[in-house]
Order: sequence, then structure tokens, then C-alpha cells
Amino acid sequence: EAQVTQNPRYLITVTGKKLTVTCSQNMNHEYMSWYRQDPGLGLRQIYYSMNVEVTDKGDVPEGYKVSRKEKRNFPLILESPSPNQTSLYFCASSPPPQNKNTGELFFGEGSRLTVL
Amino acid sequence: GQNIDQPTEMTATEGAIVQINCTYQTSGFNGLFWYQQHAGEAPTFLSYNVLDGLEEKGRFSSFLSRSKGYSYLLLKELQMKDSASYLCAVDNDYKLSFGAGTTVTVRA
Repeated sequence: EAQVTQNPRYLITVTGKKLTVTCSQNMNHEYMSWYRQDPGLGLRQIYYSMNVEVTDKGDVPEGYKVSRKEKRNFPLILESPSPNQTSLYFCASSPPPQNKNTGELFFGEGSRLTVL
Repeated sequence: GQNIDQPTEMTATEGAIVQINCTYQTSGFNGLFWYQQHAGEAPTFLSYNVLDGLEEKGRFSSFLSRSKGYSYLLLKELQMKDSASYLCAVDNDYKLSFGAGTTVTVRA
């Protein structure tokens, strides 16, 4: 089954304790991206990657890191989480972009993170 | 910067038609997406407009006017399962900017 898988789905952690949210897709998609969703603000793009070893900042990259060592995986790293990073996080992937279009995004089920 | 506006909430009756408007002012534009998101779930793709005009897909249609920075999503023959949040998103060179979403409530 074609899917985007995120882990963990739910996490409560404390300020400053490094954490990684994994994202894996089995559709051989080149484009992957991370979003956070907060009430009243909608989805905001954190980072995106057009291919292996190619990553770029989205609108809200501060406090986050990503890596793209393999095509299927795009982990989101919070080196020192803070309470303002409490949010619902979505990973997404899409087929190879054409004409600078991202193409239809396939989203993971989301990871709800709480930082105390 | 990116500015994407859509109404916060809309309510309609089962069987009716609802139009969700989206206006945008962005630094670039390659296309506009509409996604549906049920509470507690991931967004799912509805439509993608690149050129001006109306695109119809079953009960859902999406319209784009690039010169006006305007799009709408039209939902016909509303069903209870259409109660969800509808997200407008502008595609700009692989960067996606979303509106805050419009929550549609369908009443019997």
C-alpha cells in the first residue's frame, strides 16, 4: 500500500531534550516536505527537499533541522525543543515536480508533539 | 511575504451548494491547491489549478483567476461527510503556503 509513515504519532517531551520525528514514503517520490499545523494559522511549511541531499527552508525553519540521505526518508530533528514547538506535524511527499509545480501531496497521518 | 485569506467558517444544509473563496497575494505563483481535512486526519488532495478557469471533478469544482489573485472551491449536493476543513494553498517554486482553512459544517 502506497503511504507516508510518520513516527511517533504522539509524543510528550520536555524542553531541551532532542527528538527526531521520522518520515518514510514507499512511492519513490522525489519531493518531501514537513509542515506544522496550529489552530488559526493553518499549515506552515518547515523544510522541503527536492531530492536526496537537497533541502531548503520553508516559512518557519527556526528550531528545526532535516536531512535527506535516502530518497524514502526525511526525518525532522528538534535539537532543543521549546514549548512553542508544541504542534501537530505533517510530513508529505509528491511525485517529481514538473514545471516548478510540487504536484499532489500525499500526507502522513501526523505527529502530535507536546513540549513541556 | 505570503498572504492567503479564506473565511474561517461556513454552514450549509445537506443537498445545498457552498462556495469557499480564497484570495492570495504571494511573491510568486505556479498553481493553487485545494485540500480537504477531516478533524484529526491528514489533508487529502481535491484539486490543482494552474490556468484560469473552472475545473470540475464530480461534485467539486475549483475556479482560478490569476489576474485577481482569487480562487474558489464549489461543493455541490452537500453530504454530511463533506463536513471538514478546506485548505487553499499556493504553490510557488516548490514552496507551499496554506491559508488557515475554512471549516464547513453540513446540517441535516
